[in-house]
Amino acid sequence: AQSVTQLGSHVSVSEGALVLLRCNYSSSVPPYLFWYVQYPNQGLQLLLKYTSAATLVKGINDFEAEFKKSETSFHLTKPSAHMSDAAEYFCAVSDDRRMNAGNMLTFGGGTRLMVKP
Amino acid sequence: NAGVTQTPKFRVLKTGQSMTLLCAQDMNHEYMYWYRQDPGMGLRLIHYSVGEGTTAKGEVPDGYNVSRLKKQNFLLGLESAAPSQTSVYFCASSSWTSGGLSSYEQYFGPGTRLTVT
Repeated sequence: AQSVTQLGSHVSVSEGALVLLRCNYSSSVPPYLFWYVQYPNQGLQLLLKYTSAATLVKGINDFEAEFKKSETSFHLTKPSAHMSDAAEYFCAVSDDRRMNAGNMLTFGGGTRLMVKP
Repeated sequence: NAGVTQTPKFRVLKTGQSMTLLCAQDMNHEYMYWYRQDPGMGLRLIHYSVGEGTTAKGEVPDGYNVSRLKKQNFLLGLESAAPSQTSVYFCASSSWTSGGLSSYEQYFGPGTRLTVT
């Protein structure tokens, strides 16, 4: 069974500092991996995804993530935090590629990013 | 396109009352999902559907029922609400495209905040 662990339920950074949100997964097959962002009182929006192409994936708002198979990790980074990045971030994994399986995702517990001025 | 919409946005129920949450998507997606989000627990799948007329149980199905009579709609019902069902409910949809290709990502609605007193 697949699972996702996000280390750190809360992360605080200063504006302009590097953002690093950690995600480790377990999967019996090569996974597809996703990062979603949830702004206050909104639904989840896709930030970026890894689907077995380039291991370094670039997303919206200068976020990027690197798939490291040997470390079973898919950490999310951004070089310089902005106040508007304050939100909750979810890592998710999919490892069932069968048609009609439903594109099921397993989500991590989320990391709340706080950005200090 | 409106994407995924949810009705209502907020609701307060008394214990034992019933209600139905409506999810609609205009992207012609085959798959639809209902999640609940509770603090510190990420998103947990309640029920899902891989096509019109079909539904299946997710991780936390007890106390909920669903129906998918039309491809674009997915209804979540609470027959006898309990305080433990106080949560934020999210609907999502996804697609298996023709040719066996799928992006696997799920598209989320804005959520329904339900309080059961």
